[in-house]
Amino acid sequence: DTAVSQTPKYLVTQMGNDKSIKCEQNLGHDTMYWYKQDSKKFLKIMFSYNNKELIINETVPNRFSPKSPDKAHLNLHINSLELGDSAVYFCASSQGRGTGSYEQYFGPGTRLTVT
Amino acid sequence: AQKVTQAQTEISVVEKEDVTLDCVYETRDTTYYLFWYKQPPSGELVFLIRRNSFDEQNEISGRYSWNFQKSTSSFNFTITASQVVDSAVYFCALSEAQRRVQGAQKLVFGQGTRLTINP
Repeated sequence: DTAVSQTPKYLVTQMGNDKSIKCEQNLGHDTMYWYKQDSKKFLKIMFSYNNKELIINETVPNRFSPKSPDKAHLNLHINSLELGDSAVYFCASSQGRGTGSYEQYFGPGTRLTVT
Repeated sequence: AQKVTQAQTEISVVEKEDVTLDCVYETRDTTYYLFWYKQPPSGELVFLIRRNSFDEQNEISGRYSWNFQKSTSSFNFTITASQVVDSAVYFCALSEAQRRVQGAQKLVFGQGTRLTINP
């Protein structure tokens, strides 16, 4: 069974459209994340949720809105898509309880292409 | 501010050679965690290792080994007897304990090193 899954794997759309990416984890983790990987492979955190609560919100345009219906799911909705939004979006999850810092497990990524 | 630098953008070696990937980090926190991830051509990100700032013991896992040196703020990764399947982009990452918020931690990644193993 896939630990962290994302759908769709590829997404091609036109500028101005609205699209969503879904993420699910079956690891029993409390914390989930969205990362963006640009064309130069640079990875940057966008959001983090812990038990359905938004915890980390980096400087991301308001057009990006994450939603977590339960702690196993974290979706990313993007409004009014722009060319610069083209990237690979990764979902990740990790343990959230206790002290320390736990490894994050990543989904397979969603390659978004905006034309 | 936290920062991770992987100065080697690309490395190319012949199969069976040993190769070391460098990682230098900056942090003001006394408690922090370091990670390595592998991104093969298929695109997924695979967790390799986590190390906390209090544990400077080197780690070996098969052909992989990691050298953590706080004195030089480095966490280098060595692959012994490299194989074609090791070809990937490798990322070093850092998270600080102070930046852990309600169970969420911010991972800061280096730029990645593209490793190509030629047969």
